[in-house]
Amino acid sequence: GAVVSQHPSWVICKSGTSVKIECRSLDFQATTMFWYRQFPKQSLMLMATSNEGSKATYEQGVEKDKFLINHASLTLSTLTVTSAHPEDSSFYICSATGGARGNEQFFGPGTRLTVL
Amino acid sequence: AQTVTQSQPEMSVQEAETVTLSCTYDTSESDYYLFWYKQPPSRQMILVIRQEAYKQQNATENRFSVNFQKAAKSFSLKISDSQLGDAAMYFCAYRNTASKLTFGTGTRLQVTL
Repeated sequence: GAVVSQHPSWVICKSGTSVKIECRSLDFQATTMFWYRQFPKQSLMLMATSNEGSKATYEQGVEKDKFLINHASLTLSTLTVTSAHPEDSSFYICSATGGARGNEQFFGPGTRLTVL
Repeated sequence: AQTVTQSQPEMSVQEAETVTLSCTYDTSESDYYLFWYKQPPSRQMILVIRQEAYKQQNATENRFSVNFQKAAKSFSLKISDSQLGDAAMYFCAYRNTASKLTFGTGTRLQVTL
């Protein structure tokens, strides 16, 4: 139980285009989802927290207009990187909590984004 | 703001031996959780062990145990009988009551034959 999936697992896009990453909780209702960014050989940095049905809360320094987060249902959150640039290339990881799982965070397998 | 410090960028241990990874944290809160996560080359974050701050007893999960020193704000991970599959990046993490996780910089563990 407590499985979180991400799609796609990797994506390559051209500079200036937008990319959407999906995060799904497969066997529980995720009232809260978190989005992290991890640069090579570095730690996970929290980008934003999203609660189902409400606007995401962004961490200091994260551009909310660039990283659009939607959490429209209890099993799906999406992260859209708008007008992507090479410096946005990174590994993006989501996690989810909720329901009987309490506030334990369960992580997705991550999405590698490469912007050319 | 909470901070988590892992002072060992890399550690090495021989198979079947014991290794301890260090972690210190800073917080003004009294109610929190501490975690050790493993990140193998697949990049999937795997929960190794968790510790509730209000519990004095150190958590244990099979070959993994922690030494939680609340007053010193120290939370080390001991891996006994190390196996090749233990090789990975290990992150210490702090979680506050709002469920936000703060990660340390990580320790890369190598396991040698």
